[in-house]
Amino acid sequence: QVQLVQSGAEVKKPGASVKVSCRASGFIFTNYYFHWVRQAPGQGLEWMGIINPTGDVTTYAQKLQGRVTLTRHTSTSTVYMEVTSLRADDTAVYYCARRDLRGSFDSWGQGTLVTVSS
Amino acid sequence: EIVLTQSPGTLSLSPGERATLSCRASQSVSSSYLGWYQQKPGQAPRLLISGASTRATGIPDRFSGSGSGTDFTLTISRLEPEDFAVYYCQQCGSSPYTFGQGTKLEFK
Repeated sequence: QVQLVQSGAEVKKPGASVKVSCRASGFIFTNYYFHWVRQAPGQGLEWMGIINPTGDVTTYAQKLQGRVTLTRHTSTSTVYMEVTSLRADDTAVYYCARRDLRGSFDSWGQGTLVTVSS
Repeated sequence: EIVLTQSPGTLSLSPGERATLSCRASQSVSSSYLGWYQQKPGQAPRLLISGASTRATGIPDRFSGSGSGTDFTLTISRLEPEDFAVYYCQQCGSSPYTFGQGTKLEFK
């Protein structure tokens, strides 16, 4: 069955970087785009960015431009999301999600809590 | 950027009642690239509806979506206890792929 399994929770200090992984299984990895979405505590969903099936095209939310990087490794069926220069307001649960044929996000990872605190 | 505004913010209903959730876009959503998601506390969102009206795999037929252009609706025909959650609409037709702020469906 389709599964997206993310790496575990992280605690980082302001100014540090974090890299979250999302390992896919149960489908042909190279056929799909992936998105990343985050959710601050008690808040709604915020779209962060998308990476294409070959990994050579990415698009990011303007708010995060310059601080977020999406990559993917075909050999391990894994997508990565890195955020640099972390701030307290980057504290959130980060989700990876697969894009379906209609553009919606049909499968989601379980989420990774990233806490930024001094 | 397409802004999605959901209403109401909170909807208080009882099991067995009908729920109608609205999502209005600041500009037309291309080709009905509009999805609806359900999120329960501590869980990842779950896709309910894609393409404005197509139920995702395994979604009960009490959930239905409609609309086009700038106005979209999610209807739950007869509420079950497990339907009380937060619902988000999202447009996936043009970047940035924005979400609405959510509608919380709570027990009356």
